[in-house]
Formats: sequence, structure tokens, C-alpha cells
Amino acid sequence: DARVTQTPRDKVTEMGQEVTMRCQPILGHNTVFWYRQTMMQGLELLAYFRNRAPLDDSGMPKDRFSAEMPDATLATLKIQPSEPRDSAVYFCASGFAGTAYTTGELFFGEGSRLTVL
Amino acid sequence: GIQVEQSPPDLILQEGANSTLRCNFSDSVNNLQWFHQNPWGQLINLFYIPSGTKQNGRLSATTVATERYSLLYISSSQTTDSGVYFCAVVPSNTGNQFYFGTGTSLTVIP
Repeated sequence: DARVTQTPRDKVTEMGQEVTMRCQPILGHNTVFWYRQTMMQGLELLAYFRNRAPLDDSGMPKDRFSAEMPDATLATLKIQPSEPRDSAVYFCASGFAGTAYTTGELFFGEGSRLTVL
Repeated sequence: GIQVEQSPPDLILQEGANSTLRCNFSDSVNNLQWFHQNPWGQLINLFYIPSGTKQNGRLSATTVATERYSLLYISSSQTTDSGVYFCAVVPSNTGNQFYFGTGTSLTVIP
């Protein structure tokens, strides 16, 4: 089964530490999204990429968050320095966009649960 | 930006009952999906349904794009149906990102 893979599944860290979350999108997908969810609330879009280029990262706190796609099989989300308010579940999702104005079916990874003490 | 509203926000059902969840959106879309977030937090694809009707077992969905709504039907509900159901849409004029509704929280009691 093709799936979106995220690591780590769980991360506990102390305030001020750097945190890196990784995502392997489904092979062949060209669009990757990062979402954040707190306490089973709605999904907050942080950033997304198409063909490895960042399209929108306006949802991300720029001073401490950064998102990259070093290659087509890896997307990373980094927090430096981390703060307790960053505690949440971070989801990666991927899809295939055939044109500039369409986005195909979206598939989610299982999420990375981050706890910052 | 586009508004996505889901109703009802909360629903409690007796096992075996049927239910209808609704998703209204304020602008034309070229993509609509229904997701189920189970109590363990996993987001599971239910339907990719920008228009028309689809069925998968006890679940079915209908999207009437011209009237800007979609319905998710759950028949003979089971306790494993509990969780939050999200509707997500992609506006036709941007086509770039998904906008999520705030979800319907479903609890099925035995």
C-alpha cells in the first residue's frame, strides 16, 4: 500500500531545542502539505510545496519554523527554538496536481505528535 | 477566502442508527473530500467526490457542486464510526490548497 510516511511518530523535547520532522510523500505525488492540529481541533495549514517549490508558507511562524523539500522523496519541517505552544500533532499530506489549478486526492500521514516541555 | 461549514457540530447516535452529515461551501470548487479522523488521530480518506454520488459499504456521499453542498450518509452506524468527520474543498479559482471545515464529532454508543 502506498502511504505517506512521517517520522518521528512521537517526540518529547525541552523548550529551546531544535525539532525536525520528516515526511516521505507517496511516490509520484508532486504536492506536499504540512498541517498542525491541536487537541482534535481543525487543521491549520502551515506550508505547502508543488514540484518541490514552496507555494505558500504564510501559515508558518517565520521566526522559528522552516519547511523544505531537499528532494522529491523528502519534506522537512523544522522548529528552532521550540516552545511549549508548539505542542501539537503535525501532519504531512501529499497529492498529485496535474495542472496549476487542480489538486488531486489528498492522503495524510499518521502524524508526528510533538510535546515541548 | 472560501468558507466551509459543517453541520451538525456534534452528533450522538445509538448503534444501528443512520445519520447525515452536511458540508456547505461558499464558492465553486474543483475538489472535495471527506475524511474520518478516528479516536487515535488518524485521518482516513472516505471519499474523493467533487461531484456526483459514491458509495462504499455503509457509507455514501453526494456532492451537488452547483448548489455548493455535500452530504455524507452513514447507515447502520457502528462504534468504530466514532470520531470526527472533516470535509475539505479546493476552490476552483485557486486550485492550490485544501480548506477544511471544522468537523462533525460523532459518537456512536452501543
